[in-house]
Amino acid sequence: GAVVSQHPSRVICKSGTSVKIECRSLDFQATTMFWYRQFPKQSLMLMATSNEGSKATYEQGVEKDKFLINHASLTLSTLTVTSAHPEDSSFYICSAPTGTRRDEQFFGPGTRLTVL
Amino acid sequence: QKEVEQDPGPLSVPEGAIVSLNCTYSNSAFQYFMWYRQYSRKGPELLMYTYSSGNKEDGRFTAQVDKSSKYISLFIRDSQPSDSATYLCAMSPLGAGNNRKLIWGLGTSLAVNP
Repeated sequence: GAVVSQHPSRVICKSGTSVKIECRSLDFQATTMFWYRQFPKQSLMLMATSNEGSKATYEQGVEKDKFLINHASLTLSTLTVTSAHPEDSSFYICSAPTGTRRDEQFFGPGTRLTVL
Repeated sequence: QKEVEQDPGPLSVPEGAIVSLNCTYSNSAFQYFMWYRQYSRKGPELLMYTYSSGNKEDGRFTAQVDKSSKYISLFIRDSQPSDSATYLCAMSPLGAGNNRKLIWGLGTSLAVNP
């Protein structure tokens, strides 16, 4: 199957700092990527849809100024958590549809963010 | 009412048991149905992908879709301790474009005990 990577896998930062998470499609091009967050023992919550060459589409209740998304190329999307606070601590996962089968998505391994 | 309902469990079974996982949904427009497996602290991985009604088998896994009842199932035969994970159902409607977002169940936590 298609491979999606995320970097870093784990990050610990101080409150008030910004953290950038990268999501890459390694063997295919992705005009769209999805960003999720997941709290312990809960399901995936879609945060936003990242679109190559245009603005991201945010889900209701997600602050676009806090969670900055940039889809700079067909293989890279970044999520920046600005002025992070302890309540932003979560597991962030990206995914990308491959286009070979409708709606099939491949997920990255996730990034564990801990804000102190 | 949520669009997709899934019992979060946890579900605990002995090794070798047949496991039945299921989701119900309310949107009759859903046409594509998926099951993902997620190990602790990892991203989900696609297990089964089904279009419309019917059964699909892949090794020890069988996915069933009953659109008339708005009910989907995943069966795991001869369950193994390595099957211990969270299983999430996901679905989407038929429509234009390949990049439609999925609607997710809560996930069912499964533990297979040796």
